[in-house]
Amino acid sequence: AQRVTQPEKLLSVFKGAPVELKCNYSYSGSPELFWYVQYSRQRLQLLLRHISRESIKGFTADLNKGETSFHLKKPFAQEEDSAMYYCALKTSYDKVIFGPGTSLSVIP
Amino acid sequence: DSGVTQTPKHLITATGQRVTLRCSPRSGDLSVYWYQQSLDQGLQFLIHYYNGEERAKGNILERFSAQQFPDLHSELNLSSLELGDSALYFCASSPGTGPAFFGQGTRLTVV
Repeated sequence: AQRVTQPEKLLSVFKGAPVELKCNYSYSGSPELFWYVQYSRQRLQLLLRHISRESIKGFTADLNKGETSFHLKKPFAQEEDSAMYYCALKTSYDKVIFGPGTSLSVIP
Repeated sequence: DSGVTQTPKHLITATGQRVTLRCSPRSGDLSVYWYQQSLDQGLQFLIHYYNGEERAKGNILERFSAQQFPDLHSELNLSSLELGDSALYFCASSPGTGPAFFGQGTRLTVV
């Protein structure tokens, strides 16, 4: 079965501290992984996708097929990073399923 | 502004009724995805259209249907509505793979 898990519902870190948002997936085929962010009272936004190997707003994520993980990392958290973060998996059938999300709170 | 427009923003209707939600994708985007978001179920994938053709279906109920028109806008039809259908319905468009630009959602309340 295809599934995305984000074990932390809530994550609090201090400003300037490193942050890691965990994402694990279950899929037997070749996955494409994404991270999305939703700031308070704003629309969902695409943050990054693993195939682009990009860094957006200081965030990076590496696909680890052995551990079936795609954790989102940032070395120094900023207050403006406080938001809801969703990890998503695209299957080969063009189905894109989302994880339950992690609410990140950066404490000043 | 993502360039994706959803109408209406809010909809209140009675059980048993039928409603149509509309999504206008960003100019030039061929893909439209529909999602249902509720507190208990999170973001649930409903359906994906690409250039007028259905590409993937999620756990979409038989009471729900969708289509994408030649001008690329999409409609999600929900019929025989039940209280449990109350949710936020999102659409997203994309020029490539995966949803990229999201609408603000339609908040459906079934009473």
